[in-house]
Amino acid sequence: SAVISQKPSRDICQRGTSLTIQCQVDSQVTMMFWYRQQPGQSLTLIATANQGSEATYESGFVIDKFPISRPNLTFSTLTVSNMSPEDSSIYLCSVYGQDKMNDYEQYFGPGTRLTVT
Amino acid sequence: GQQVMQIPQYQHVQEGEDFTTYCNSSTTLSNIQWYKQRPGGHPVFLIQLVKSGEVKKQKRLTFQFGEAKKNSSLHITATQTTDVGTYFCAGLPSNDYKLSFGAGTTVTVRA
Repeated sequence: SAVISQKPSRDICQRGTSLTIQCQVDSQVTMMFWYRQQPGQSLTLIATANQGSEATYESGFVIDKFPISRPNLTFSTLTVSNMSPEDSSIYLCSVYGQDKMNDYEQYFGPGTRLTVT
Repeated sequence: GQQVMQIPQYQHVQEGEDFTTYCNSSTTLSNIQWYKQRPGGHPVFLIQLVKSGEVKKQKRLTFQFGEAKKNSSLHITATQTTDVGTYFCAGLPSNDYKLSFGAGTTVTVRA
C-alpha cells in the first residue's frame, strides 16, 4: 500500500498567479501521476512524472502551463502557472501500489482543491 | 485513443433497492479497476478484475468483467445510505500503463 499526502489541501488564488502543489509518498515509487478533476467530472491525467527524466504530458497539457518536478522517488510537485478560472479543479497525485491481494491499484492523495478568482 | 464509457451518469436509488452501473471500453483491456469517491473525498480503490468473464463479490457489491475484456459492471444489492458517492471504472489497456477513467456514476439514496 501507499500513503500519499498533498499540500496545500485547498487554496484560493488570483488569476495570473501560480501555485505549486506538493505530493509526498511514504514509499519509493517509480511513477507518480498527476490528475485533474474538474467540478462534477471524472479524472483526467495531466502527466506522468518519473524520477530522473522529464515528465510525460497527456494531450492538451503542456509543460509551460503545468511544470512538474520529481527530485526523488518519494516526492513530486505540480505547478499550475498563470492561472485562470478554468483551472479551478481538484488536483490529485497518484501512485501505483500492490495491495494484500497482489492487485496493482492506484492510490490517490487527498487532493488539492484550487479555486481561481 | 482508448476510451472508457460509463453509464448511467446519475443513479437515484430508493434505500433497499438494487442498481447496476456499466462500463464499456473501445479497446481490449488488460484489467479493469473500480473506485469509489465519497462526496468531498478522493477516489478509493475497490477492486481489480483481470480475467475474462471474472466475477468478484464484496459483500453487497458484485463486479463482472466481460468475456471480451472490454466491458464491466458493478451491481449493488440492497442499497444503503453508505453507498452514496461516485463510482468510477478505470480501464488499463493491454499496451499501456495509464488508466483511463470512465465518467463515473453518482449515486444518491432516498431513505
